[in-house]
Amino acid sequence: GNSVTQMEGPVTLSEEAFLTINCTYTATGYPSLFWYVQYPGEGLQLLLKATKADDKGSNKGFEATYRKETTSFHLEKGSVQVSDSAVYFCALMGNNDMRFGAGTRLTVKP
Amino acid sequence: DVKVTQSSRYLVKRTGEKVFLECVQDMDHENMFWYRQDPGLGLRLIYFSYDVKMKEKGDIPEGYSVSREKKERFSLILESASTNQTSMYLCASSLVTAGYTFGSGTRLTVV
Repeated sequence: GNSVTQMEGPVTLSEEAFLTINCTYTATGYPSLFWYVQYPGEGLQLLLKATKADDKGSNKGFEATYRKETTSFHLEKGSVQVSDSAVYFCALMGNNDMRFGAGTRLTVKP
Repeated sequence: DVKVTQSSRYLVKRTGEKVFLECVQDMDHENMFWYRQDPGLGLRLIYFSYDVKMKEKGDIPEGYSVSREKKERFSLILESASTNQTSMYLCASSLVTAGYTFGSGTRLTVV
């Protein structure tokens, strides 16, 4: 079945550092890929998405590129801020069924 | 914007109580979902529904039931709450081919 594997956290960075959170997937067919963010005490919010190979999703300085050849959808940001501290979830949708990674907690220190 | 509203942010219930968690969405989405979120386990699907009066079991349905009498409302029921059901519960809705919109979550503590 479909599944998502993302790097384990926690990840701790200093402000303005470069961020990468790795995500790989296993799926049949042509799934859509998503990154969600969860701020403390809140539900999940859609951060960005890509629906086909080589698409790049972007939002709030975050980017991820749908790489079919490596089955990956890594999240990147060039310069993180303290306000980016949150838990990030990679997700895959295929056949109307969404599968989530375990989540990666990011803490950004001033 | 689509809004998914969960009726309570925090709940404390006693062991053995029947607990109702309510979720309402306002954009006519067909699909609705209930997840629980636990540290180190990510999101696990409890039940989902693709239409009114329709329900399907997810990965961990034991100890739960659901009700969808109206398209906009999807209720999660803990028939007899137990301490191992202490968790964050997240409701989501979606159109058939789109991503999910989540509610803010209900943190349930069973004592």
